[in-house]
Amino acid sequence: SQQGEEDPQALSIQEGENATMNCSYKTSINNLQWYRQNSGRGLVHLILIRSNEREKHSGRLRVTLDTSKKSSSLLITASRAADTASYFCALNSGGYQKVTFGIGTKLQVIP
Amino acid sequence: EAGVAQSPRYKIIEKRQSVAFWCNPISGHATLYWYQQILGQGPKLLIQFQNNGVVDDSQLPKDRFSAERLKGVDSTLKIQPAKLEDSAVYLCASVSGQGFFSGNTIYFGEGSWLTVV
Repeated sequence: SQQGEEDPQALSIQEGENATMNCSYKTSINNLQWYRQNSGRGLVHLILIRSNEREKHSGRLRVTLDTSKKSSSLLITASRAADTASYFCALNSGGYQKVTFGIGTKLQVIP
Repeated sequence: EAGVAQSPRYKIIEKRQSVAFWCNPISGHATLYWYQQILGQGPKLLIQFQNNGVVDDSQLPKDRFSAERLKGVDSTLKIQPAKLEDSAVYLCASVSGQGFFSGNTIYFGEGSWLTVV
């Protein structure tokens, strides 16, 4: 089964700046989801984008999906210290709701 | 809506001992997952249940790991005997809906942290 590859693996920015992280994959997907994980905690669902969608917004989050390039990006605008966390893309492909995760991007937002 | 409950939150055992983790998914969620997350890595799917049937256990080390979901609700994941490399967080997750789907939110528990010494 495939998993996404996030890039960069680590990102450090100043508070107020935008953070962009990318996820690439190899085979077709049904949908792609982004999750956040604070240190020592479980994963929290951020946003889902379906294979027939190109862009979605949720608050300060913007996700794009380019199925021709097999890639997605997550943009966090006006970052805050509280956004410090690891971010994972999760791919749903095949049947029965199978979901696989990449290795994640570790984001540090410096106050 | 109550979230996914997991216990215990933390467990330290010696190698070759056994351990069991319990998960109570969100009420009505037919699909339940167990993931293993080693520090610094992404979650790796161990097993996926649809109601009380196993859908995918291709990455479950069956010589030492076992899981069951009796009555299609709670689930337990057991490791026996444990190895040092089993030190990880074991995450349980659930999602509503059955069969082929396109995009329901998967809800995760806080995880069970296992340290094998």
